[in-house]
Amino acid sequence: DAGVIQSPRHEVTEMGQEVTLRCKPISGHDYLFWYRQTMMRGLELLIYFNNNVPIDDSGMPEDRFSAKMPNASFSTLKIQPSEPRDSAVYFCASSLLRSSGRAGELFFGEGSRLTVL
Amino acid sequence: GQQLNQSPQSMFIQEGEDVSMNCTSSSIFNTWLWYKQDPGEGPVLLIALYKAGELTSNGRLTAQFGITRKDSFLNISASIPSDVGIYFCAGHPGAGNNRKLIWGLGTSLAVNP
Repeated sequence: DAGVIQSPRHEVTEMGQEVTLRCKPISGHDYLFWYRQTMMRGLELLIYFNNNVPIDDSGMPEDRFSAKMPNASFSTLKIQPSEPRDSAVYFCASSLLRSSGRAGELFFGEGSRLTVL
Repeated sequence: GQQLNQSPQSMFIQEGEDVSMNCTSSSIFNTWLWYKQDPGEGPVLLIALYKAGELTSNGRLTAQFGITRKDSFLNISASIPSDVGIYFCAGHPGAGNNRKLIWGLGTSLAVNP
């Protein structure tokens, strides 16, 4: 089976431009997570969805960031306008709900490396 | 946000050596997970622990869920070059339906063949 698929793998853009990152979770998974990874701050959870509904977006840095999940097989993370400090690797991950009290496994995509000049 | 204390930050070892790394938290967790990230890839789950005191193996990897619920360790025996990568611990408090994991900053492992 295909894993989590992210696109693009690499994006170089100029400050002020809109950036859209895309994710296709593993079929049948009911949770989808967007993470940002930097050397200084490690893995930061930005937002996660359950059954396409945003559950916790407290990690979204500011209003320039937005995420949508219009259906069970697709999600986007948008940055508008982008800034140099947004440069990072953005990961999408999906998981399947386990029994109550268990966080379950996360399956990560290969990431989208964003560079904002 | 909250982060786990993971140590050491980096290790450089000879092939064949055993490796040990650990993770501590100021709060109690009900789940501990260990992930490995290869260069240019996303993290991949190695071992998941769900009970205090639990000791679980996956090939040459062994991980334990600390009795206090505030720590976990990962051991790699007889290291090989493909063990190179960054190892992350992650914990989950298990409260309600919150699915947020708390992550360590990683242990970078280099293996000299």
